[in-house]
Amino acid sequence: GAVVSQHPSRVICKSGTSVKIECRSLDFQATTMFWYRQFPKQSLMLMATSNEGSKATYEQGVEKDKFLINHASLTLSTLTVTSAHPEDSSFYICSASGQLYEQYFGPGTRLTVT
Amino acid sequence: AQTVTQSQPEMSVQEAETVTLSCTYDTSESNYYLFWYKQPPSRQMILVIRQEAYKQQNATENRFSVNFQKAAKSFSLKISDSQLGDTAMYFCAFMKGGTASKLTFGTGTRLQVTL
Repeated sequence: GAVVSQHPSRVICKSGTSVKIECRSLDFQATTMFWYRQFPKQSLMLMATSNEGSKATYEQGVEKDKFLINHASLTLSTLTVTSAHPEDSSFYICSASGQLYEQYFGPGTRLTVT
Repeated sequence: AQTVTQSQPEMSVQEAETVTLSCTYDTSESNYYLFWYKQPPSRQMILVIRQEAYKQQNATENRFSVNFQKAAKSFSLKISDSQLGDTAMYFCAFMKGGTASKLTFGTGTRLQVTL
């Protein structure tokens, strides 16, 4: 099956700093990648959809200047949380979609902002 | 906009028994897909089963099967011969037809399998 990796798996950063999370499709080309956020004991909420070589589409209520998404190649998308604050602490999950409709999920990144 | 509703926040089942998780959805789309995902404590999302809306036959994957009622917009998951490893959060999800469409998730059902 298709494999998606995320790095780092967990990160702790200080308030006011920025942190970058990478999402890679290891054995297929991902034309579209999705970024989700999941708070404890809650469902996944889509933050944005990114297509290779174009600007990401953000869901309503998601600050695009705070959550910078870059999808520079068919195997890599990055999410940068800028000027992170404690309320940004969450579990971030990416998924990747290839030629067909199915999405393959990464293992997630736990972000803690102190 | 699509909505997905899971009305059972928590369920419990004894090992080897059968349990059914409920899911309803609302959409005006005619072409769509439905999914059940499992999220164990590791938090890795695992696809359990998928159903194409145009298919009348209910999908099955080993011990997992669905009851897809298109007119009622219902998509329940049946887990037979429950195992301790089935303990997880289960999310029902909707995707509009076409490539690379986004998933809309329900709120999830926490399933506990007991001895």
